[in-house]
Amino acid sequence: DMKVTQMPRYLIKRMGENVLLECGQDMSHETMYWYRQDPGLGLQLIYISYDVDSNSEGDIPKGYRVSRKKREHFSLILDSAKTNQTSVYFCASRPGQGNSDYTFGSGTRLLVI
Amino acid sequence: GEQVEQLPSILRVQEGSSASINCTYENSASNYFPWYKQEPGENPKLIIDIRSNMERKQTQGLIVLLDKKAKRFSLHITDTQPGDSAMYFCAASADSGTYQRFGTGTKLQVVP
Repeated sequence: DMKVTQMPRYLIKRMGENVLLECGQDMSHETMYWYRQDPGLGLQLIYISYDVDSNSEGDIPKGYRVSRKKREHFSLILDSAKTNQTSVYFCASRPGQGNSDYTFGSGTRLLVI
Repeated sequence: GEQVEQLPSILRVQEGSSASINCTYENSASNYFPWYKQEPGENPKLIIDIRSNMERKQTQGLIVLLDKKAKRFSLHITDTQPGDSAMYFCAASADSGTYQRFGTGTKLQVVP
């Protein structure tokens, strides 16, 4: 069953702590994404990865960084989390760089207190 | 200009009636327009999409219309059922771009 897996599903962190969100896919998709979803704002792109060690900033990269050392795995890192980073984070992937729909992970609900 | 505007933000309809959601985009190079449905606590899932070589597409009670001149596309759900209640997102992307830009979402409520 082809899918995108995110871990963890729920996470509570204190302000200033480091946060690691993990995403994996088993479809050998080249392109992967991290979005955050907030009420009234829809899905906002944080980072794109075109393949291993080939990453680009999206629309709201400040406060985040990413790592992709294997094609099937894409991590989002928050160094010193802030309360305004409380959100639902979705990872997504799609094959190649052509125009096609995304496969989304199930999301990580992050609360920064 | 890369924004995608989506309206309305909330839509309440009677069961059995139709529901329409409208989106506009700014990037004239956009040529792929997917629609996603998101149930509470779940991830967005593709329900229908349309490419710029088409003006209309229909599948299983869903109709998508695309007006490239007006840079506008819309989703029409016919004979709505309670199971259609969810968040709906439109998106747009171009071949030259590598990611989809999403609208801000429409919360559809189908009431008996």
